Amino acid sequence: QQQVKQSPQSLIVQKGGISIINCAYENTAFDYFPWYQQFPGKGPALLIAIRPDVSEKKEGRFTISFNKSAKQFSLHIMDSQPGDSATYFCAASKGSGSRLTFGEGTQLTVNP
Amino acid sequence: KAGVTQTPRYLIKTRGQQVTLSCSPISGHRSVSWYQQTPGQGLQFLFEYFSETQRNKGNFPGRFSGRQFSNSRSEMNVSTLELGDSALYLCASSADGMNTEAFFGQGTRLTVV
Repeated sequence: QQQVKQSPQSLIVQKGGISIINCAYENTAFDYFPWYQQFPGKGPALLIAIRPDVSEKKEGRFTISFNKSAKQFSLHIMDSQPGDSATYFCAASKGSGSRLTFGEGTQLTVNP
Repeated sequence: KAGVTQTPRYLIKTRGQQVTLSCSPISGHRSVSWYQQTPGQGLQFLFEYFSETQRNKGNFPGRFSGRQFSNSRSEMNVSTLELGDSALYLCASSADGMNTEAFFGQGTRLTVV
């Protein structure tokens, strides 16, 4: 079964703090690991993605850390802002655009 | 550049009816994937079309079907609707579905009563 496990289910962080969301996958054939952000009433929006040939990728306040041997990857949001309050999904696929397997989602709340 | 457009945004149907949802991908994108999002099951892959051919299929019953036209627009159809089909149906487009990112539309909220 191709699964992606995501934790925590919900997360509350103070403004300016660091938000950390973790994911673990089973299928070693996965070679593309994106993170999506979803606001209520909207579709998921691609935040940042990584491939297994690098261990870390940073874009602005968002960083993905990737541990191939442990089959885990995580999203770090630095200097979290109230506008970051949303549901975050990790995903994995073989090939970047096709058949994404999603984690369960993390509802992030950033308190002002 | 226009994003992924899904129509209609909201639908209410009666159990047993059928429904057709539409997706217009980003211009130039040839891959369209469909996903079902529910609170209980999360985001689940339905199927992917590329150049008018179904290239990938998820674990959904045959009541769920789709097609893609020569202009890459795609439709999905659900026949004999069940209450459990109530969900947000999302379409994602990708340039080639293999080496380029997928971008989602806002979805169609289907309610079956």
